Amino acid sequence: NAGVTQTPKFQVLKTGQSMTLQCAQDMNHEYMSWYRQDPGMGLRLIHYSVGAGITDQGEVPNGYNVSRSTTEDFPLRLLSAAPSQTSVYFCASSYSKASGHSYNEQFFGPGTRLTVL
Amino acid sequence: KQEVTQIPAALSVPEGENLVLNCSFTDSAIYNLQWFRQDPGKGLTSLLLIQSSQREQTSGRLNASLDKSSGRSTLYIAASQPGDSATYLCAVKPDSNYQLIWGAGTKLIIKP
Repeated sequence: NAGVTQTPKFQVLKTGQSMTLQCAQDMNHEYMSWYRQDPGMGLRLIHYSVGAGITDQGEVPNGYNVSRSTTEDFPLRLLSAAPSQTSVYFCASSYSKASGHSYNEQFFGPGTRLTVL
Repeated sequence: KQEVTQIPAALSVPEGENLVLNCSFTDSAIYNLQWFRQDPGKGLTSLLLIQSSQREQTSGRLNASLDKSSGRSTLYIAASQPGDSATYLCAVKPDSNYQLIWGAGTKLIIKP
């Protein structure tokens, strides 16, 4: 299993540009989530999904959109990038009855480091 | 509102020492608490998970304790090694919420 994969690893955007951060997992996990990590702060939840077709907002959803059309993929869209969105973004997944992974056991991707100029 | 604090933000110790990392939280109504390890440029790896009904969990040289009434958890690392150098984060899961509330982490450096 590849686990949780994220692309790209690094990205530089100009203010106002849009882009999509990709996240995929091959563990048949139902729960997926996006976090951002800023220096001196804990991870903050942006959006999460409890299953295909179901998404909800986390702590800091403004400026981001998500969709969950398949169990495997959970892309994060930046609609109009702003310097305040410069951060490291992590995708995580959890919970699969078939694999025995509880929803408490989160698996993280390697992160995407985004810089907005 | 639940808040999670980790002090100190950074810690440097010689190899071989036993050490304790601290995590405090403001609301004792938690479902569980987890300790994670983060290596530079990599994702997070779960180390230990303590359910609210438990007092401690152990894995190898790591021991995590939980005192809900005082809002504290500690991660004890025995016989530290340079490979233990990483950032350690704790995260709390509130009772009725899927979301994890994270501390900012403690950056640990083990000097050979």
